Amino acid sequence: AQKITQTQPGMFVQEKEAVTLDCTYDTSDPSYGLFWYKQPSSGEMIFLIYQGSYDQQNATEGRYSLNFQKARKSANLVISASQLGDSAMYFCAMRDPWGFQKLVFGTGTRLLVSP
Amino acid sequence: DAGVIQSPRHEVTEMGQEVTLRCKPISGHNSLFWYRQTMMRGLELLIYFNNNVPIDDSGMPEDRFSAKMPNASFSTLKIQPSEPRDSAVYFCASSHSSGRPGETQYFGPGTRLLVL
Repeated sequence: AQKITQTQPGMFVQEKEAVTLDCTYDTSDPSYGLFWYKQPSSGEMIFLIYQGSYDQQNATEGRYSLNFQKARKSANLVISASQLGDSAMYFCAMRDPWGFQKLVFGTGTRLLVSP
Repeated sequence: DAGVIQSPRHEVTEMGQEVTLRCKPISGHNSLFWYRQTMMRGLELLIYFNNNVPIDDSGMPEDRFSAKMPNASFSTLKIQPSEPRDSAVYFCASSHSSGRPGETQYFGPGTRLLVL
């Protein structure tokens, strides 16, 4: 069974600095997808970035990039130039390749950005 | 384009009452997912549908929970009778499933349920 581990319950960063949120995963399937979602205090789940297991390059979306290390089974989210609005919970998730895009989520990391 | 729509946004009810949560997926999406989020258990998948057919309901807690998808644009999650431990945020999400690995689930705003 797939499993996602986020070991950082909370992270603290100053505005304009970069921050890395850790995510490790466990699967025996060669084909899988990894997603990051942001959940601000208002509660909605916002899709940020996706990485496929066969993608040759690390995914990037604006200030978000994914440090994908397949051999280590890690998919860390890097947020560059942090903004106050980045303060939120961040969830890493894995797509079950056999289950019509069923997602398994990690426990999340709470990021606080200070001025 | 409208995103996933859920109603109600907030629901407060008494133990034993029936609760019905509603979801309208993004037009054109053929997969629909119901999740529950609690502090203790995090985000859990309850059930998901593909082309209106339930594919996996193994996450449904017990017989008090039921979900339907009568057509491509509407789904309900019903709890009868409700219990205080059902208090949680319930999310509906949808995606377009065509076999490509990068298809994303888009979440609705959630329904915050409180059972007294």
